[in-house]
Amino acid sequence: QLQLQESGPGLVKPSETLSLTCTVSGGSISSSSYYWGWIRQPPGKGLEWIGSIYYSGSTYYNPSLKSRVTISVDKSKNQFSLKLSSVTAADTAVYYCARQLGAAAFDYWGQGTLVTVSS
Amino acid sequence: QSALTQPRSVSGSPGQSVTISCTGTSSDVGGYNYVSWYQHHPGKAPKLMIYDVNKRPSGVPDRFSGSKSGNTASLTISGLQAEDEADYYCCSYAGTYSLEVFGGGTKLTVL
Repeated sequence: QLQLQESGPGLVKPSETLSLTCTVSGGSISSSSYYWGWIRQPPGKGLEWIGSIYYSGSTYYNPSLKSRVTISVDKSKNQFSLKLSSVTAADTAVYYCARQLGAAAFDYWGQGTLVTVSS
Repeated sequence: QSALTQPRSVSGSPGQSVTISCTGTSSDVGGYNYVSWYQHHPGKAPKLMIYDVNKRPSGVPDRFSGSKSGNTASLTISGLQAEDEADYYCCSYAGTYSLEVFGGGTKLTVL
């Protein structure tokens, strides 16, 4: 059974960089059939797609976050990572990683991790 | 890139059917057959219920069905059960530049 687990600091200071890692178990991140994505949910709000990556390293990002987002993959560790720079309180959210089956289709999700931006 | 429009809440009694709408534009919902629906119980991971407008992943009951007409996609849940009470989100592919966009979410209450 495929499992995804987010990890990283739960508290980040304003203007700093948020860094999260998603560890994939029960399957290979190098599968040619899937992309791997990050989605977030601010408190009391809806889901927002952040970006996705293919095992080859090809990425695509939400245009509204593109200037601050970097997603990378580490095939040797079966992990992919998110970096979001220059964070503000508006970036406070539960961050999820997910496997992307196809366009708009995320079929396996991590449990999510709350990241709070505060000094 | 604007969020897709969903009703904030819908409700129904056990055994009844409910339909949740998801309205976009010709640049997203209307332009591609890539609409998905997610069930989200607070504190848990979202669950994919429908993808590619009307396909059900393995394990999803056939009480859940999806459709699309023009710029509006719909999720219909028939034979409502108490465990269906959750937040539901639609998501659509929005083309090469906007990519994936979610709806604002709909809270389903089973009366």
